[in-house]
Amino acid sequence: AQKITQTQPGMFVQEKEAVTLDCTYDTSDQSYGLFWYKQPSSGEMIFLIYQGSYDEQNATEGRYSLNFQKARKSANLVISASQLGDSAMYFCAMRERGGNKLTFGTGTQLKVEL
Amino acid sequence: GAGVSQSPRYKVAKRGQDVALRCDPISGHVSLFWYQQALGQGPEFLTYFQNEAQLDKSGLPSDRFFAERPEGSVSTLKIQRTQQEDSAVYLCASSSPGQAPDTQYFGPGTRLTVL
Repeated sequence: AQKITQTQPGMFVQEKEAVTLDCTYDTSDQSYGLFWYKQPSSGEMIFLIYQGSYDEQNATEGRYSLNFQKARKSANLVISASQLGDSAMYFCAMRERGGNKLTFGTGTQLKVEL
Repeated sequence: GAGVSQSPRYKVAKRGQDVALRCDPISGHVSLFWYQQALGQGPEFLTYFQNEAQLDKSGLPSDRFFAERPEGSVSTLKIQRTQQEDSAVYLCASSSPGQAPDTQYFGPGTRLTVL
């Protein structure tokens, strides 16, 4: 079974609008961490936001926020006030308890349009 | 400060050649990771170092892949007798376990093309 599922291969959003990128995960651990990364066409993976499984509040970092629904095992990324520079591939990743490696989803390609 | 750097950025190899990919982690980062990213896919874990110790190499796809970090800083990923299926972007990441949440910071990657 996929540990990280991103069901949207591609998304379009108009500039200045908000967009939600979906991520569901599968783990039997109680302690885990969820990460979102942005990968522009240049290739570098840029860390955006982190949510710990025990964090009671949803994580926020500037225009990025994480809609964390633990019971549903979902960790959707919300980008507010989209900008042209937000056009990129976005990956959701999980680190399980006792592990160090990240397990990534297949990504969502976001295109911001004028 | 400087981020993770990788070299070369692009490498073209003929099938059967050996290649060596270099990673310079962020200064002071104890942990170092290698990932392989095939076209259109998310990165997949290859191996993990804590200082000079290779603690997890479960993701290395075959014994043609070898990684080292002899002084606990720079790391080299070596692929022997390259095959076409080795064509991918190889990403290196580093982290500092003492800094919660132990976020991994990635380099720009090395794009390997095997002809």
